[in-house]
Amino acid sequence: AQTVTQSQPEMSVQEAETVTLSCTYDTSESNYYLFWYKQPPSRQMILVIRQEAYKQQNATENRFSVNFQKAAKSFSLKISDSQLGDTAMYFCAFMNRGGNKLVFGAGTILRVKS
Amino acid sequence: DSGVTQTPKHLITATGQRVTLRCSPRSGDLSVYWYQQSLDQGLQFLIQYYNGEERAKGNILERFSAQQFPDLHSELNLSSLELGDSALYFCASSVVGGIETQYFGPGTRLLVL
Repeated sequence: AQTVTQSQPEMSVQEAETVTLSCTYDTSESNYYLFWYKQPPSRQMILVIRQEAYKQQNATENRFSVNFQKAAKSFSLKISDSQLGDTAMYFCAFMNRGGNKLVFGAGTILRVKS
Repeated sequence: DSGVTQTPKHLITATGQRVTLRCSPRSGDLSVYWYQQSLDQGLQFLIQYYNGEERAKGNILERFSAQQFPDLHSELNLSSLELGDSALYFCASSVVGGIETQYFGPGTRLLVL
């Protein structure tokens, strides 16, 4: 069974600075997908970024980018120019290609301070 | 707004009761997924339906059941409710399943007293 580990329960960052959230996963599969979802205080689950395991290039979405290290089974999220609206719980998630479910990590609470 | 809708937003009920949570997927999506978010268990996959048929089951209790109707909306039925069933229940949808991103609804917050 796949597992996802987020080792940082809480983090804080100053507005406009850069922060990196860590995620590691365990799988014996070679084809899979990795995601970061954001859950703000409203509790809505919002997709931040997605990475296909077969792609060597790291995904980027505006201020959000990932560092995907397949051999190390590591998938970190970098947030540049942090904004107050980035304050949220961030979840790393895994899905097998052809699979049906997302497997989530425990989440990291990120607080952006002014 | 993801395009996935869930009703009701909040539900308060008593132990032993039965409730139904409703989800409408994004236009064009055939797959619906249900997840439970609780403090002790985190986010867990419950069940997936694809075009009206059950496709996958996760950690879903026997007291819980779901279905997907011809118009593709889905309902999650929770019966003989216990205090531990209090949680945020999310519905997500994707076009088919397997490779697409799942988009989440706003969730239904269930409180069992």
